[in-house]
Amino acid sequence: DQQVKQNSPSLSVQEGRISILNCDYTNSMFDYFLWYKKYPAEGPTFLISISSIKDKNEDGRFTVFLNKSAKHLSLHIVPSQPGDSAVYFCAASARDSNYQLIWGAGTKLIIKP
Amino acid sequence: DVKVTQSSRYLVKRTGEKVFLECVQDMDHENMFWYRQDPGLGLRLIYFSYDVKMKEKGDIPEGYSVSREKKERFSLILESASTNQTSMYLCASSFAGQGREKLFFGSGTQLSVL
Repeated sequence: DQQVKQNSPSLSVQEGRISILNCDYTNSMFDYFLWYKKYPAEGPTFLISISSIKDKNEDGRFTVFLNKSAKHLSLHIVPSQPGDSAVYFCAASARDSNYQLIWGAGTKLIIKP
Repeated sequence: DVKVTQSSRYLVKRTGEKVFLECVQDMDHENMFWYRQDPGLGLRLIYFSYDVKMKEKGDIPEGYSVSREKKERFSLILESASTNQTSMYLCASSFAGQGREKLFFGSGTQLSVL
């Protein structure tokens, strides 16, 4: 059973609009969450993270929101740009897990001109 | 820039062959990881290492082994390749204490076992 779920395999958004990527988790021991971005033929690159002591973290156009009661986090990209077209992975870890990350299956974001 | 280099972009092997996937990082990172990525499953951890000659099993170590003789190099070994090991293999590294914060990945090796 997947502990980190990204239920949308793909998402298409108009350039300039907001992109919202969602991630749900089941393990209440997770205390750190990350988003990675992956272009074709490249490895994933770290994008943004959030600790469970916060409910929001912002970095430029990227904001991650954490709703612990719902075990849900989301990544907002505003405004969306063509270079944001990529696969986005959500990952989570628990303090007692020896730093192992549990990954979602990814969401492919397509930004339309 | 941090660089994690995987020796091959594409590999085609036959069932039963011994396969070596090599990974080298140039940032003096203590931690190194091997993942496999399959459609619909995300990334799954095979093995990781926190130090030279040290290794720990990840979530799916069966059928794999690893070697870390030097700090910068982490090798993944498929002792007898099987078709269910056809996958994208990703190597990653990070500084000690930052294993869950910021991984640096290589470009991946797409392995096909026929």
